[in-house]
Amino acid sequence: EAGVAQSPRYKIIEKRQSVAFWCNPISGHATLYWYQQILGQGPKLLIQFQNNGVVDDSQLPKDRFSAERLKGVDSTLKIQPAKLEDSAVYLCASGQGALETQYFGPGTRLLVL
Amino acid sequence: AQRVTQPEKLLSVFKGAPVELKCNYSYSGSPELFWYVQYSRQRLQLLLRHISRESIKGFTADLNKGETSFHLKKPFAQEEDSAMYYCALGGGRGSRLTFGEGTQLTVNP
Repeated sequence: EAGVAQSPRYKIIEKRQSVAFWCNPISGHATLYWYQQILGQGPKLLIQFQNNGVVDDSQLPKDRFSAERLKGVDSTLKIQPAKLEDSAVYLCASGQGALETQYFGPGTRLLVL
Repeated sequence: AQRVTQPEKLLSVFKGAPVELKCNYSYSGSPELFWYVQYSRQRLQLLLRHISRESIKGFTADLNKGETSFHLKKPFAQEEDSAMYYCALGGGRGSRLTFGEGTQLTVNP
C-alpha cells in the first residue's frame, strides 16, 4: 500500500512570509495528524483530525497556524506569518483511529531565515 | 498533564551486548505506551506497543505502572538496531500521543 505522502520535502522562507504544507494520508485512514518536530526534540502534536472534523488542536498556535482537511482526505497546514522559531520538520501521520498505529510521512523540513 | 521522559539522549553499546532504553511517563489516567523508531533516512515507524505484548525484532517492553516506566530491552544488540528511538504515551483529549525527546542508539561492531 502507498504510504503517507507529503510535499514539499524542503522549504526555505524568510520570516513573516507564508508557507503551506500538503499531506495525503493512506487511503481509508480516518485519522490524520500534524506534528512539529524541532531539532533535538520529539514530535509534538499540532492538530488531529477524525475524518474532516478537528479532534484536538489544543497545541496549535492559532494566531499563525491553520489546518484543514476538506472532504476528509488530504490536508494542508499553513503558517502565516512565519517566525524564526517555526524552523522544524513538519510530520503528517495517519491511522485508522485514535491510539491505533500511526503511519508517518517523510516530513517537510522548514527553515525560516 | 502528559509527560514522557527519556533520560538518555545518546546510548552506545557493542554488538551482542544487552541494551535497555529507558522511558518514564507521567499521566493520571490509564496509559497506552508505544515505542516508535526511526532508522537512518527512513520514516518514523511503530516498533511495539504495550497492549500487544509482542516481541518485535527481539525487543520487548514491559509497562510498570508502579514505577511509571516502559523501558525497551533487547538481550543481544545488533548493528542494524542503530536508530533513534522514541517512547510515546497515548491518552487525554483525542487520545493524543505525547512523545519523549528520543534516544539515539548506536550499536558498535
